[in-house]
Amino acid sequence: AQKVTQAQTEISVVEKEDVTLDCVYETRDTTYYLFWYKQPPSGELVFLIRRNSFDEQNEISGRYSWNFQKSTSSFNFTITASQVVDSAVYFCALSHGGTDKLIFGTGTRLQVFP
Amino acid sequence: DVKVTQSSRYLVKRTGEKVFLECVQDMDHENMFWYRQDPGLGLRLIYFSYDVKMKEKGDIPEGYSVSREKKERFSLILESASTNQTSMYLCASSRLQGLESHEQYFGPGTRLTVT
Repeated sequence: AQKVTQAQTEISVVEKEDVTLDCVYETRDTTYYLFWYKQPPSGELVFLIRRNSFDEQNEISGRYSWNFQKSTSSFNFTITASQVVDSAVYFCALSHGGTDKLIFGTGTRLQVFP
Repeated sequence: DVKVTQSSRYLVKRTGEKVFLECVQDMDHENMFWYRQDPGLGLRLIYFSYDVKMKEKGDIPEGYSVSREKKERFSLILESASTNQTSMYLCASSRLQGLESHEQYFGPGTRLTVT
């Protein structure tokens, strides 16, 4: 069975702090894809990143970085020098190769205070 | 700019009513999806479609049906609305390309309240 666990329900930080959002997944597939989405207060999910199971290179995009470790089945997301605009609910999701059906985690609500 | 639109942001219906939620995408995507989002449960897939007139059940299809008569439009139907269907409904689309799994683009959501 496939499963995505985001154990952190809610995180609060002060602006400029670094914060890491955890994502642990379960799958028996050898080919799979991992995603992160951001849901700001407006409600619309915004795609952040897609990573396939064969690419374990870490990714950096501005203040965002992702750490994919197959050995621990984790795909963690770090925001460096957080800003108030980063306040949102963040979802990690998993799909197996050959299908676009996503299994979502329950989300982590990040609040960044000025 | 990619665009997925949903017919209503907020909807209030009475128990037993038939409810239609419409979704339109302008990206010529083959795949379209309907999810519901509830606090503490994340997003759960109701139905998806990978082609016109094609549909597959997701994880929670009970009480719902769908229609896809045109590539750009995917409708979610609640045949007889019940209070436990009060939720946020999100539509998404993605392209279909080989065995790869592509990112989904989401609409703004419809918050449905059934009284």
